[in-house]
Amino acid sequence: SQKIEQNSEALNIQEGKTATLTCNYTNYSPAYLQWYRQDPGRGPVFLLLIRENEKEKRKERLKVTFDTTLKQSLFHITASQPADSATYLCALDPNTGFQKLVFGTGTRLLVSP
Amino acid sequence: DAGITQSPRYKITETGRQVTLMCHQTWSHSYMFWYRQDLGHGLRLIYYSAAADITDKGEVPDGYVVSRSKTENFPLTLESATRSQTSVYFCATWTGGELGSPLHFGNGTRLTVT
Repeated sequence: SQKIEQNSEALNIQEGKTATLTCNYTNYSPAYLQWYRQDPGRGPVFLLLIRENEKEKRKERLKVTFDTTLKQSLFHITASQPADSATYLCALDPNTGFQKLVFGTGTRLLVSP
Repeated sequence: DAGITQSPRYKITETGRQVTLMCHQTWSHSYMFWYRQDLGHGLRLIYYSAAADITDKGEVPDGYVVSRSKTENFPLTLESATRSQTSVYFCATWTGGELGSPLHFGNGTRLTVT
């Protein structure tokens, strides 16, 4: 069956450390993968896109990798801050052509001062 | 510029009642989507619309009806609410341009069916 898996347990780290979140998928061959941030009581907000021909993408303190052989994406936040505390969702398009994204369940990140 | 407005933010209804969740966008994006978010399931697509008067089912459409008579509005109706439809509902839009460009989400409607 097709599925996207993210670590359901919260990730607790100290301020200043690097947070690494994992997204694994099964039985998909996505052309791209997206990461979103979701704060309590709010809708998801887009952070980064990485395409299948890209190994790595960076935006300020954020870095995403995409390994189509391992069927895995890693999301890194360097020099993490308490304001980075949120739930992070990965999403992929199963090549429907209409961007009908399939989302992982999300990983909650808690950054303590 | 409000972007996407969902209403109501919170709704409590009884089993068997009809309830409509509203979604309004100010961007004129072609595509609109309804997702529901439940613990352990993440966001699941209910219905989507590619343009006014064009709608199609997503992963979990049963028990829901949508319409899109105007580009800016995409209401979601639960014809006879059930407890299993207790969830947080998110509306999203997409420009319809390059694949991979972001979805834009509203802040959700928390629906409780008693």
